Amino acid sequence: QTVVTQEPSFSVSPGGTATLTCGLSSGSVSTSYYPSWYQQTPGQAPRTLIYKTNTRSSGVPDRFSGSILGNKAALTITGAQADDESDYYCVLYLGSGVWVFGGGTKLTVL
Amino acid sequence: EVQLVESGGGLIQPGGSLRLSCAASGFTVSSSYMTWVRQAPGKGLEWVSYIYSGGSTFYADSVRGRFSISRDNSKNTLYLQVNSLRAEDTAVYYCARAYDYSFDYWGQGTLVTVSS
Repeated sequence: QTVVTQEPSFSVSPGGTATLTCGLSSGSVSTSYYPSWYQQTPGQAPRTLIYKTNTRSSGVPDRFSGSILGNKAALTITGAQADDESDYYCVLYLGSGVWVFGGGTKLTVL
Repeated sequence: EVQLVESGGGLIQPGGSLRLSCAASGFTVSSSYMTWVRQAPGKGLEWVSYIYSGGSTFYADSVRGRFSISRDNSKNTLYLQVNSLRAEDTAVYYCARAYDYSFDYWGQGTLVTVSS
């Protein structure tokens, strides 16, 4: 069974840079998995931030960027702001109609 | 404007069944790839099911054989039939449109609670 790994929590100072990662329990994440990233605040539906590794969704500030770092997908938030404090999820497409979400990262800005 | 509105959730006893609906506007469900994602209370997102525009369907191992995704083109609505419900199926169920390898539009979710 494929497990997608994310940091359970991450802290960043206001104005700082946070890099959240998305890996595989076995193997490397590549662009072929079409990694995408979603932001979710309590009680709200997820919001799309990044898709196809590094394409920003409409209306997403350019403070958010996606990439492949080593063997993982990464979401980088530069100039972190208080309202970036949210849960962040990656999802990978395994092919043949199958997707897997990571466990999510709770980002704290303090 | 694209909008997705889920309904059909509620309190159901273990072993029971429900049909969740996702009414779409601003695009055509039958021409789109659509998905269901769920979130148990206090937990992360879990992919549940996916339907191609051509009608092929796919399921997570945790629900295969118990859940069924379908659509009604005349009503522009996506469905998820959930059978043989278990306590661990308790979650908010979201529908979303899949486009260009992302889930670009999401509904607000409908809560399914499985309890006796």
